[in-house]
Amino acid sequence: DIQMTQSPSSLSASVGDRVTLTCRASQSIDRYLNWYQQKPGRAPKVLIYAASSLQSGVPLRFSGSGSGTDFTLTINSLQPEDFATYYCQQSYSTPRTFGQGTKVELK
Amino acid sequence: QVQLVQSGAEVKKPGASVKVSCKTSGYTFTTYGIGWVRQAPGQGLEWVGWISAYSGHTNYAQRVQGRVTMTTDTSTKTVYMELRSLRADDTAVYYCARDSYCGGDCYSFDYWGQGTLVTVSS
Repeated sequence: DIQMTQSPSSLSASVGDRVTLTCRASQSIDRYLNWYQQKPGRAPKVLIYAASSLQSGVPLRFSGSGSGTDFTLTINSLQPEDFATYYCQQSYSTPRTFGQGTKVELK
Repeated sequence: QVQLVQSGAEVKKPGASVKVSCKTSGYTFTTYGIGWVRQAPGQGLEWVGWISAYSGHTNYAQRVQGRVTMTTDTSTKTVYMELRSLRADDTAVYYCARDSYCGGDCYSFDYWGQGTLVTVSS
């Protein structure tokens, strides 16, 4: 199975900050990497697919980059509604494993 | 609009079985697969498996292989996940999600059900 490792596990930030989350795959997954946002008690929501494609309806302050084994999710100008947990997921092969998540908290 | 509506919470004893349903609407059912993802209390997301609504082909995670069966009912546009020989560590919220193909090996879960809490306790 492909292991997905996210860092950091949590971070504290302020409204207006630019934050960068990292996801590393245990082997090359080309660009088959998705990012999800999850708020407490809610189902996850896809933000980015194929490493850098913005899902319809997702604000432009979210962006993704990377290929191979190293990927990043950047949130420009963090908004109050962005405080949540973010997960990466690879779709290169089954099982389509998730990272353990990065919790973005209010400083 | 696309909707996935799941069945209600379940409480089961160890060794029992549970069957969770996921009723879809708002799109052509056989065009998309459905994946299942679970989340234990306070934990992250775990991919459980996937079924093609077109062919019925399935793919399951090793952790549940042999205990899980995913099926579809095209007439009601409903997907089912049955998990047998339940253990305490199967306690989780189970989500169904529509599997959207975006080219090559690119798939993402673009619409999700509301989740079904399955509690396994003696």
